Amino acid sequence: AQSVTQLDSHVSVSEGTPVLLRCNYSSSYSPSLFWYVQHPNKGLQLLLKYTSAATLVKGINGFEAEFKKSETSFHLTKPSAHMSDAAEYFCVVSDRGWSYKLIFGSGTRLLVRP
Amino acid sequence: DGGITQSPKYLFRKEGQNVTLSCEQNLNHDAMYWYRQDPGQGLRLIYYSQIVNDFQKGDIAEGYSVSREKKESFPLTVTSAQKNPTAFYLCASSPQGNTQYFGPGTRLTVL
Repeated sequence: AQSVTQLDSHVSVSEGTPVLLRCNYSSSYSPSLFWYVQHPNKGLQLLLKYTSAATLVKGINGFEAEFKKSETSFHLTKPSAHMSDAAEYFCVVSDRGWSYKLIFGSGTRLLVRP
Repeated sequence: DGGITQSPKYLFRKEGQNVTLSCEQNLNHDAMYWYRQDPGQGLRLIYYSQIVNDFQKGDIAEGYSVSREKKESFPLTVTSAQKNPTAFYLCASSPQGNTQYFGPGTRLTVL
């Protein structure tokens, strides 16, 4: 069965410094992996997705993530944080079955200090 | 302007009432989904539909019902049998494949 663990419930960085949000997954299949961002009282926006092509995936707003099968990790990074990056981030793994069910992590809240 | 719309943005329910949340998409996506989000938690799947006139229960379907009479629409009814309905409800849709796109959400509060 698939599962996903986000290792930090809160991450705090200063504006202009790097961001690292950590995610480990468990999957019996070759997984599809996603990162979504949610600003307060808003829906989820897709940042990026991995679907067994290149292991380094580039997304929107300068974010990228690296799929590491040996470590079962899919960490999200950004070289320089911006105040507008403050939000909740969800790591997600998909069930490759017909239903395309998504399994969500519990989320990491990113705080950006001025 | 393509996308997923949910209405209303805020909804208040009295004890014992049924309420219906609207979800419409003009992306021509085949599949649609309803999720519930509670504070500090990830999303949990309530119902999903792969095609018109067909839908399946997700992980927490008790106290909810859905219909899929049109490709564009997937309304969710929160019935009085749902004992703790206060939450943020998110609708999503996807084309063939597993990337889901989300609407802006409806916040339901029980008075």
